[in-house]
Amino acid sequence: AQSVTQLDSQVPVFEEAPVELRCNYSSSVSVYLFWYVQYPNQGLQLLLKYLSGSTLVKGINGFEAEFNKSQTSFHLRKPSVHISDTAEYFCAVTMTGGGNKLTFGTGTQLKVEL
Amino acid sequence: NAGVTQTPKFQVLKTGQSMTLQCAQDMNHNSMYWYRQDPGMGLRLIYYSASEGTTDKGEVPNGYNVSRLNKREFSLRLESAAPSQTSVYFCATKRGLAGSYNEQFFGPGTRLTVL
Repeated sequence: AQSVTQLDSQVPVFEEAPVELRCNYSSSVSVYLFWYVQYPNQGLQLLLKYLSGSTLVKGINGFEAEFNKSQTSFHLRKPSVHISDTAEYFCAVTMTGGGNKLTFGTGTQLKVEL
Repeated sequence: NAGVTQTPKFQVLKTGQSMTLQCAQDMNHNSMYWYRQDPGMGLRLIYYSASEGTTDKGEVPNGYNVSRLNKREFSLRLESAAPSQTSVYFCATKRGLAGSYNEQFFGPGTRLTVL
């Protein structure tokens, strides 16, 4: 079975500061990892995904994530955040043969302050 | 293109009432999904349809039924609503083959309250 842990439920950060949102997964087979963002009162949209290849993945809005197999992590980073990045961020995982089922983490609320 | 649309946006029900949440997509995607989102629990899969004519249970199917009416539409029915079904419901679609690892596209959600 696969699972995802997002330990930080809330992350406050000042505008223009760097941020890292943590995601750890558990799976006994190869995994495929995603980060989604949810702005207030909206559905989720894809930020980036890791399927294979380079472990550093770049996404939209200046976000990037690094797949670390030995630490079973897929942390999301942005070097300088903007007020408009205030949103909830979800890490999700599926595993080989499980393409129809995404397992989501519990989400991290990023609050960017002036 | 509208993408993924959901109706209604908001609904209040009394315990025991029934209702159907509608989802439609104009993206020509094969797979469609229903999730519920609860505070502190992320999104949990209720049912999914890998292709027209097929449906399968997800993580939390109890109390729900689904119908894949055609390729475009996937509805979620609550036969006898319970307060525990108060939640935000999201429909999603995915292009490509059933087992592919493509991204899912989400609708705007339906906020349901059961009194």
